[in-house]
Amino acid sequence: NAGVTQTPKFRVLKTGQSMTLLCAQDMNHEYMYWYRQDPGMGLRLIHYSVGEGTTAKGEVPDGYNVSRLKKQNFLLGLESAAPSQTSVYFCASSRLAGETQYFGPGTRLLVL
Amino acid sequence: EDQVTQSPEALRLQEGESSSLNCSYTVSGLRGLFWYRQDPGKGPEFLFTLYSAGEEKEKERLKATLTKKESFLHITAPKPEDSATYLCAVQAITDSWGKLQFGAGTQVVVTP
Repeated sequence: NAGVTQTPKFRVLKTGQSMTLLCAQDMNHEYMYWYRQDPGMGLRLIHYSVGEGTTAKGEVPDGYNVSRLKKQNFLLGLESAAPSQTSVYFCASSRLAGETQYFGPGTRLLVL
Repeated sequence: EDQVTQSPEALRLQEGESSSLNCSYTVSGLRGLFWYRQDPGKGPEFLFTLYSAGEEKEKERLKATLTKKESFLHITAPKPEDSATYLCAVQAITDSWGKLQFGAGTQVVVTP
């Protein structure tokens, strides 16, 4: 099992450009989460999904959109990137709420 | 509002020098407290889950304990390979979606 994978590993964007980050899990987990990690601030939840076709906002959702068309995939979109979105993005999944979340390797995003 | 504070921010240890990391939390009813290890450039790796005060879990040189207001991660006779950032997160019993509130982490460096 690959667990949780993320694509791409690293990306540089110009302000105003758009992109989609892909998260895939092969553990048949229901719950999936997108976090961002910034120095000194810990991991903050952006959006999450409790099943195929169902998404919800987390702590810092502004500027991001998500979709979960297939159970194994959770996409994070930036429609118009801003320098404040420079961060490391992590995806996680869990079988059920309250169970351990397993994290992917991260996507490092730099917005110029 | 749920809050997690980890201390110290950074810890430098000599190989074999035991120490403890602190995770203080405020949550409206604790469902679970999670410890993760994160190596530079990698995603968080799950270590332990603690559910109730008095509970302890061990793995190699690491031992996690839980009280009603804080958790400790004890590192006994650390080795250089224990160098990492250790993250603590809480899950509230009132949350149905498994959301985690993370602390900012403690960066541990173990020198030979």
